[in-house]
Amino acid sequence: DGGITQSPKYLFRKEGQNVTLSCEQNLNHDAMYWYRQDPGQGLRLIYYSQIVNDFQKGDIAEGYSVSREKKESFPLTVTSAQKNPTAFYLCASSRVRTEAFFGQGTRLTVV
Amino acid sequence: DAKTTQPTSMDCAEGRAANLPCNHSTISGNEYVYWYRQIHSQGPQYIIHGLKNNETNEMASLIITEDRKSSTLILPHATLRDTAVYYCIVRSSGGDSSYKLIFGSGTRLLVRP
Repeated sequence: DGGITQSPKYLFRKEGQNVTLSCEQNLNHDAMYWYRQDPGQGLRLIYYSQIVNDFQKGDIAEGYSVSREKKESFPLTVTSAQKNPTAFYLCASSRVRTEAFFGQGTRLTVV
Repeated sequence: DAKTTQPTSMDCAEGRAANLPCNHSTISGNEYVYWYRQIHSQGPQYIIHGLKNNETNEMASLIITEDRKSSTLILPHATLRDTAVYYCIVRSSGGDSSYKLIFGSGTRLLVRP
């Protein structure tokens, strides 16, 4: 089936450790996005990429890093510099300037 | 910042139409109105979008006022499965900003049995 796959669904991390969240899409979309959602809140944009080997910071990029080496993949690394990383992370993709399709999310908990 | 204003919550009876308003008074000529919904702990689902004409698909209808400063999403026959948070988003059709989907807090719709 075509779609966006995020893994893992649940992730636990010790404080001070980096962790990488996976996002893969087989929709042949050029653009990919990472959002963060805190309980009871809307989605906030972390990073987005319009094309391979290019990405831009969103509104809350501090403490996060991304790469876009392949069209299908847009992994997000939550670094130890992110002060409050516990959240629900959502990945999305879209064709140029069309509706975005979202994955089912990864719930990250720092223990 | 989000460029839209929505009521925090609404409810409607099952089988009746749900009308969700959105204010986007600062919308510019090349910006589209998009609607998404998010069921608890899932990724948002695209519903519909429009520029200035009213739009309808299998999920919903979108009514945009003539001055484009507000819109209404209509779910014609709401079911319990329509209970979700509904987000209204304004998105540019051109330039780098067209890639950014900025979400506000949305409207929490509760469909009552």
